Amino acid sequence: KAGVTQTPRYLIKTRGQQVTLSCSPISGHRSVSWYQQTPGQGLQFLFEYFSETQRNKGNFPGRFSGRQFSNSRSEMNVSTLELGDSALYLCASSLGWVYEQFFGPGTRLTVL
Amino acid sequence: DQQVKQNSPSLSVQEGRISILNCDYTNSMFDYFLWYKKYPAEGPTFLISISSIKDKNEDGRFTVFLNKSAKHLSLHIVPSQPGDSAVYFCAATRSSGGYQKVTFGIGTKLQVIP
Repeated sequence: KAGVTQTPRYLIKTRGQQVTLSCSPISGHRSVSWYQQTPGQGLQFLFEYFSETQRNKGNFPGRFSGRQFSNSRSEMNVSTLELGDSALYLCASSLGWVYEQFFGPGTRLTVL
Repeated sequence: DQQVKQNSPSLSVQEGRISILNCDYTNSMFDYFLWYKKYPAEGPTFLISISSIKDKNEDGRFTVFLNKSAKHLSLHIVPSQPGDSAVYFCAATRSSGGYQKVTFGIGTKLQVIP
């Protein structure tokens, strides 16, 4: 069974631009969560989608948004990028329970 | 507000000895605690979990202890192996509105020296 895949793996953007990251969950998994990892903050929860509906949201500004498609694939969008958005963005999928999450390798975003 | 705290950013242990990674939490509503291991350039992988109603869970070389009165949990790795060198994240979940919310610590980097 293929694992969680994320594209692209690396991305360089400049301040003010927007970016879209993609996540393909494990086949059959309907829950997709997104996390931001930075050295001083660890993994911070962004949001979770289940069956195309956002059912959980962390404490991030509205510049961070996401969506989930009918095939459970998910995208995360960050608009008006700031330097502080430089981080590893991780996607995780599960059948529904957060403690059975499987993580993808992440997308490393650098904002210049 | 850091509800899950890993106060040691790094730890070095000799191969064959015990590694003890610690985690403290502040929210008594957490119902599950998990440990994840993360290698560079890979996503975290689930290692072991413990329910809040238990005080110990063991899986091979890995044992997690939970002390609810102290709001403290620890991960013991015995014996430690060089392949255990990674960043370890402690996480806690709580049920809210029919689904679970998860909070991660900032991680502890373990180095096992051959």
